[in-house]
Amino acid sequence: EVQLVESGGGLVQPGGSLRLSCAASGFTFRGYYMNWVRQAPGKGLEWVAIIKGDGSEKVYVDSVRGRFTISRDNTKNSLSLQMNNLRVEDTAVYHCVRGSDGAFEIWGQGTMVTVSS
Amino acid sequence: QSALTQPPSASGSPGQSVAISCTGTSSDVGAYDYVAWYRQYPGKAPKLIIYEVNKRPSGVPDRFSGSKSGNTASLTVSGLQGEDEADYYCSSHAGGNTWVFGGGTKLTVL
Repeated sequence: EVQLVESGGGLVQPGGSLRLSCAASGFTFRGYYMNWVRQAPGKGLEWVAIIKGDGSEKVYVDSVRGRFTISRDNTKNSLSLQMNNLRVEDTAVYHCVRGSDGAFEIWGQGTMVTVSS
Repeated sequence: QSALTQPPSASGSPGQSVAISCTGTSSDVGAYDYVAWYRQYPGKAPKLIIYEVNKRPSGVPDRFSGSKSGNTASLTVSGLQGEDEADYYCSSHAGGNTWVFGGGTKLTVL
């Protein structure tokens, strides 16, 4: 069974840092682009970042570029998102998502990040 | 990287058909056939129901169909059922391996 399980969310103060992780199973992890997609409470979906299967390409939405870093470890089938200088507006559920055929194909249940003083 | 435009709400009676639009620009929806649609129930993760404009993943009923004309894509749900009541989102490639979602449409089955 294809599965994505996120962890690492929590409460952090503005300006703080947090590292999210995603454990993948049930498929050949290195063969897929992986993404982070977030959803603020009561709001819509927002694509955050994407990383190529071999890690050679990383792209970010403008609002997080320079603050967030996406990475992957294909030996451990894991995806990460290092989030620095967090802002109140980064508060959201963060989903780890497998990309395929120009779509967000498989979604994890998400991990909640709350940025508040 | 502006969000695609969807109507906030849509509704229909059981058995009827309803269409949800997703309007972008010539830099995203109009430029690529990488338009997808997702269904999301409250408190749950989104699920892919249409990809590459009009293709259905395995297991998605053929009551769901997609199309695109110019800068606007559409999702049509035919033979509405109670279980179709959910939020629906579109997404599109926006160039340079960036991606954009629509604001979402809440579908109500009357």
